[in-house]
Amino acid sequence: AQRVTQPEKLLSVFKGAPVELKCNYSYSGSPELFWYVQYSRQRLQLLLRHISRESIKGFTADLNKGETSFHLKKPFAQEEDSAMYYCALSEARDTDKLIFGTGTRLQVFP
Amino acid sequence: KAGVTQTPRYLIKTRGQQVTLSCSPISGHRSVSWYQQTPGQGLQFLFEYFSETQRNKGNFPGRFSGRQFSNSRSEMNVSTLELGDSALYLCASSLGFNSYNEQFFGPGTRLTVL
Repeated sequence: AQRVTQPEKLLSVFKGAPVELKCNYSYSGSPELFWYVQYSRQRLQLLLRHISRESIKGFTADLNKGETSFHLKKPFAQEEDSAMYYCALSEARDTDKLIFGTGTRLQVFP
Repeated sequence: KAGVTQTPRYLIKTRGQQVTLSCSPISGHRSVSWYQQTPGQGLQFLFEYFSETQRNKGNFPGRFSGRQFSNSRSEMNVSTLELGDSALYLCASSLGFNSYNEQFFGPGTRLTVL
């Protein structure tokens, strides 16, 4: 069955330190992968998607099909990056259905 | 433009009752998806509607149902409520043509079943 795993519930770093939020998936086809973020008292929102190969707010994520991973990285964390991060998978292009991981809370200390 | 709106924002019901939640998508969006969020299970997909048709359904019992109207507004209904139905129910809307279309989430409806 399709599954998204985020092994860390909480990740704490100091400002300026590198950040890597891990995401692994199991899916037999070619998935679409996304990272969603929820800042305190805000709505869940899209951060980035693998198809775009973009950098948003300094975050990047590379799809590694061999390791079935889609880790989110940022070289220098900022306090405003503190939030809940969810990795998500879409099974097909003709659906909005997302399978979410359980999320990782990132805390960036000053 | 206005974001996704959900009503009501908070709801308290007792076991055995039924409840209807509403979601108004962003203007022009034709797809609405529903998710249940709980501390134990996280975000789980309930169903997806596109142009008034259910396009996809998650693994929830038949007590959970939904529909979409011609103006793309969507409702979900839960009958015979159980304590385990207590959760935050999120809806999301998108243009709906493919998974590349960004989904926008609403603030959620917090349902408490006593």
